[in-house]
Amino acid sequence: DVQLVESGGTLVKPGGSLRLSCAASGITFSRYSMTWVRQAPGKGLEWVAHVSGSSTNKYYADSVKGRFTVSRDNARNSMFLQMDSLRADDTAVYFCARVLGYCSSSSCRFYYDHWGQGTLVTVSS
Amino acid sequence: QSVLTQPPAVSAAPGQNITIACSGSSSNIGENYVSWYQQVPGTVPKLLISENNKRPSGIPDRFSGSKSGTSATLGITGLQTGDEADFYCGTWDSSLSVFVFGTGTRVTVL
Repeated sequence: DVQLVESGGTLVKPGGSLRLSCAASGITFSRYSMTWVRQAPGKGLEWVAHVSGSSTNKYYADSVKGRFTVSRDNARNSMFLQMDSLRADDTAVYFCARVLGYCSSSSCRFYYDHWGQGTLVTVSS
Repeated sequence: QSVLTQPPAVSAAPGQNITIACSGSSSNIGENYVSWYQQVPGTVPKLLISENNKRPSGIPDRFSGSKSGTSATLGITGLQTGDEADFYCGTWDSSLSVFVFGTGTRVTVL
């Protein structure tokens, strides 16, 4: 069975940094792109970042670009989210998810079939 | 701020059929494939529909997806109390090079 387990969420002060991890099992991790999605308390889903299987392609939401960095270590079956210059509006549950699908020259068909249970990041003084 | 618009809420009695619309633009729904997710509050999102209209293994055929132009629709037939949840559409936006989720729709079974 595919299992994704996030860790690293905690209370951090505004302006601080945090590194989230997502450990995968039950899959050939390097074959898949992975993504981070967050959900602020009482709000909807917000896509955060995407990293391809080989780390060649990385994409970020405008709201985190320049502050967050997504990376992965295929030898350790893990993905990471380095979060710097944290703000109160970064407070959310952060989910990692496996990406299926692909982009062709004419269209993209990404979707997220397995999700972790999430880890809570709270940014507050 | 999401670029995909959904109705905030839809409600119906058990056994009835409902649809949830997801409205986007040419750079997202118009040229890419849509997926749908169900999230019971307090739990993890679950994939319902991939690639506009494909149901993953284990998803009942009461759930269906379609796409036309810059809009997509999730259909649920024979509504059940267990279907109460938040539903989100999602797709890639080719102009922004980001994935976008819809604003979300809360389904209530009366």
